[in-house]
Amino acid sequence: DQQVKQNSPSLSVQEGRISILNCDYTNSMFDYFLWYKKYPAEGPTFLISISSIKDKNEDGRFTVFLNKSAKHLSLHIVPSQPGDSAVYFCAAAYNFNKFYFGSGTKLNVKP
Amino acid sequence: NAGVTQTPKFQVLKTGQSMTLQCAQDMNHNSMYWYRQDPGMGLRLIYYSASEGTTDKGEVPNGYNVSRLNKREFSLRLESAAPSQTSVYFCASRGRGRKNSPLHFGNGTRLTVT
Repeated sequence: DQQVKQNSPSLSVQEGRISILNCDYTNSMFDYFLWYKKYPAEGPTFLISISSIKDKNEDGRFTVFLNKSAKHLSLHIVPSQPGDSAVYFCAAAYNFNKFYFGSGTKLNVKP
Repeated sequence: NAGVTQTPKFQVLKTGQSMTLQCAQDMNHNSMYWYRQDPGMGLRLIYYSASEGTTDKGEVPNGYNVSRLNKREFSLRLESAAPSQTSVYFCASRGRGRKNSPLHFGNGTRLTVT
């Protein structure tokens, strides 16, 4: 049973608009959450993370929001650019050992 | 700065054959991981090694063995390959510490078992 779920397999957004990617988790022990970006034929690359003691973390155009009561994580990309087109994975961990990943959301940013 | 290096990049095996996937990192990281990626399933943890000399099972360990050869290297072995092990395999490493310690991934090994 997947502990981290991304229910939207794909998302299409116009260039310049906001992209919102969502992630839900079931294990209340998770205390570290991450987003990764993956291009075809490459390994996932780290984008942004948040610990469970925070509810928001920003890095440039990327912001991650954590709602612990809802067990929900989201990634906002503003403004979206064509180069952001990729598969995005959310991940969660506890005790900083095992990292569990969602199934990914393919983002397409249209010029 | 190579980061995490995986070999080979591609491999085709016949059912029942064995092989070892190699992974090495040059970032002096303590922890290393093996994941497999399948369509619609995301990345699933096979085995990990929290530090040199230790290994633990992940979500899908059956059919695999691992060896943490030293701090730099972590190998994944398929003793008798099955078509269900057709997948893309990613190795990752992680440094010690609680802050800003994400996983760093290699570029993967694409394995096909016929």
